[in-house]
Amino acid sequence: SQQGEEDPQALSIQEGENATMNCSYKTSINNLQWYRQNSGRGLVHLILIRSNEREKHSGRLRVTLDTSKKSSSLLITASRAADTASYFCATELLTGYSTLTFGKGTMLLVSP
Amino acid sequence: GAGVSQSPSNKVTEKGKDVELRCDPISGHTALYWYRQSLGQGLEFLIYFQGNSAPDKSGLPSDRFSAERTGGSVSTLTIQRTQQEDSAVYLCASSLGSRTEAFFGQGTRLTVV
Repeated sequence: SQQGEEDPQALSIQEGENATMNCSYKTSINNLQWYRQNSGRGLVHLILIRSNEREKHSGRLRVTLDTSKKSSSLLITASRAADTASYFCATELLTGYSTLTFGKGTMLLVSP
Repeated sequence: GAGVSQSPSNKVTEKGKDVELRCDPISGHTALYWYRQSLGQGLEFLIYFQGNSAPDKSGLPSDRFSAERTGGSVSTLTIQRTQQEDSAVYLCASSLGSRTEAFFGQGTRLTVV
């Protein structure tokens, strides 16, 4: 079953605009991670945010985490055509096994 | 190696045949994951290894699927009596341990005809 659910399923923007993707999850987590996938193959890790953190930055990426709402958002600022990809959130549960559970992803299209 | 390596990259097999998919994780990574991704879909969790043990096999879809890991390193995912619905990209990932980022291989695209 899916622990995380991304929203929207697809997003189309122009270069230079910001892109915001959201992730909601169901049970308490140890951390939440965002990944990017190009062309349906291997995923690349973008950022990890722990349950005691509220915001994290990495270059043009900004991730927020609201554990009370069980949600996270990924903001990509000043988007580029090269940012076109699918973006997934993954959660690692607070207790039990350290399984990384992924959502269905948001497909981002950045047009020049 | 420098990254997670999966082989083969592509595999076409006839329905009913058995297939083995291989994953070489990053050296020193104790955690290893297998996922399956159908076209345009999210990642479906299959199995998680910590060392050579598989504490979480909950995602294996049927008893035709099995996986092992030896020497805390290489892992093999075996699908017996393949069916057309097994067609997907099978992704392997490894990490230093729990609570850290995972590194993915490029996947094996399995096509059952």
